[in-house]
Amino acid sequence: DAGVIQSPRHEVTEMGQEVTLRCKPISGHNSLFWYRQTMMRGLELLIYFNNNVPIDDSGMPEDRFSAKMPNASFSTLKIQPSEPRDSAVYFCASKQGQGAYEQYFGPGTRLTVT
Amino acid sequence: AQSVTQLGSHVSVSEGALVLLRCNYSSSVPPYLFWYVQYPNQGLQLLLKYTTGATLVKGINGFEAEFKKSETSFHLTKPSAHMSDAAEYFCAVSDGNQGGKLIFGQGTELSVKP
Repeated sequence: DAGVIQSPRHEVTEMGQEVTLRCKPISGHNSLFWYRQTMMRGLELLIYFNNNVPIDDSGMPEDRFSAKMPNASFSTLKIQPSEPRDSAVYFCASKQGQGAYEQYFGPGTRLTVT
Repeated sequence: AQSVTQLGSHVSVSEGALVLLRCNYSSSVPPYLFWYVQYPNQGLQLLLKYTTGATLVKGINGFEAEFKKSETSFHLTKPSAHMSDAAEYFCAVSDGNQGGKLIFGQGTELSVKP
């Protein structure tokens, strides 16, 4: 299995621009999670989906952030407009089944907003 | 609500010495507990997990952890550190019900001295 795939791996953009991060979960997994990692705040859960439906988006920092999962094999996290404080590493993870199965993480997207 | 506290943001050991990374959790229901490792510029990788049953859990790369309900702890140990163990380690808790949502600790960076 290819694992969780994220693209791009690195993104540098200017403040005010729209940024779209992409994730392909492991085939057969029915839960998908978006995390943000920074030195100051550590690893934060932004939003997660079960069976393509958003379940908890309480971690989304503000309305500039939005996430979609149009089908079981693809999700996007969009920031519009981007700000320098959005600079972070964004991870996508997927999991199968309900309950205490482990999450499998992608390699992350390092976002720099100048 | 659930929470995780990792004692010590940075731990340094000599090669061949015991590794002990501390994790305490708070949970109102029986917890499911995880340790993940993150190598530089990579995503998180599962080391081990506790769900039910035996309280001493063995994971990859010679690591193990013991669930102690009375102490609400899940400390990670390895008898003999190797240079390749240098990484950041995250403890996480889940109640297994909220779609497997994980709450992560702040992480402990492990350095291994030759």
